[in-house]
Parts: sequence; structure tokens; C-alpha cells
Amino acid sequence: GAVVSQHPSRVICKSGTSVKIECRSLDFQATTMFWYRQFPKQSLMLMATSNEGSKATYEQGVEKDKFLINHASLTLSTLTVTSAHPEDSSFYICSARDGQLYMNTEAFFGQGTRLTVV
Amino acid sequence: QQQVKQSPQSLIVQKGGIPIINCAYENTAFDYFPWYQQFPGKGPALLIAIRPDVSEKKEGRFTISFNKSAKQFSLHIMDSQPGDSATYFCAASLSNTGKLIFGQGTTLQVKP
Repeated sequence: GAVVSQHPSRVICKSGTSVKIECRSLDFQATTMFWYRQFPKQSLMLMATSNEGSKATYEQGVEKDKFLINHASLTLSTLTVTSAHPEDSSFYICSARDGQLYMNTEAFFGQGTRLTVV
Repeated sequence: QQQVKQSPQSLIVQKGGIPIINCAYENTAFDYFPWYQQFPGKGPALLIAIRPDVSEKKEGRFTISFNKSAKQFSLHIMDSQPGDSATYFCAASLSNTGKLIFGQGTTLQVKP
């Protein structure tokens, strides 16, 4: 299957600082990328949908000013957690769909980023 | 109406057993139902997926059974192995949006 690379895999930051997480589609063009958050022993919750060249669409309850999403190219989307606080500590996972395939539904996931805010 | 309910929360089987994980959905507009496997500290990986026009799909040791009228679908793992020990998530999606709604997850342990 297609490869989605997420970086970094782990990050520890101080409370009040910002952290950027990158999500790259390595062998396909991803017109749409998705960002999920997963707390320990819980399910994945969709945070936002990122479309190349346009503003991201955020799910209800997700602060768009806190979780900045940029999808500047067909292979890269970034999530920036601004002014991070300990409650933002979580596992952040991106996924991407191949925009070239008609009616494609399969989403490929990155390996996730473990964010710890101290 | 966007929920996907998954059960059981955890499951323990002996090697060679057939664990079955069940999911139910509410939104009849969902048209894509994948199952994902996730190991600790890793992103989920697609195992198998089905569309509502098919009642069963088999890929290797994994089988999805789909009951459209009951709005339920299940994952069967044949001849389970200790390496299958992981967390399994069902999901549902509207294919035109690509957004996945995940079930709560099932932690499977396969004992040697």
C-alpha cells in the first residue's frame, strides 16, 4: 500500500510552546489529509480535514486557532499545536487519500506522533 | 447518528481460535466499512474493508460479515495467532468525504 510518513514520532515540549507535526505522502498525491487524536486506550477522534490549497475543516469542538493545519502541497500537511498545555498530550495521527484514484476510499495512516507537554 | 459502536472491549482467545468483533452503525448513508489493526505506539493499518452491496468479504484469515438490514458488521479472524494480538478498530465512512468514524476499539490477546 501507499506510504504516509509522519514526523516526529515523539516530541516533548514545555507548556506554552508550539509544536509542528508533519505528514507526508511519499508515493502518491494526497488532495485530502485527515488529522486524528488518540488518547491512551481510546479510539481515534477526527480533528480536521485538510484539503490542499484551501482552509482546513475542523470537527465540532476542535479549536482551529490552537490546532493550525496547513496543506500547502499535494504531499505535505502540517499540524501545529500552539501554546501547548499538558492536556494536549496525546497521540496525533494523520491519514491521506490518493487523489488520483477515482472513487478511492482507502486512507493510509502515518505512524503517529506521541506529544508530551510538560 | 454518526456513532459506530464496537464490542467487545477486550477479547482473549487461544491460538487457533476464531475471535469475532462486532460493530453497529446508525447512519444508513455510510458506504464504506474498513477494519484497522493497531499495535501500541503505531498508526492503524488497514486489514480489510467492505461496501454495503456485499454481505461477506474474505482476505486471507480475515473475514468481514455485513448485515445491511441490521446495520451491523463483524470481523472474524481465522486460525488466530499470537502475532494477531493488537487493538482492532472498525470504522464507517461516507466515501465522498473520506472521513472515518471509528468504533471504540477491541483489544485482542491471542494466547500461545
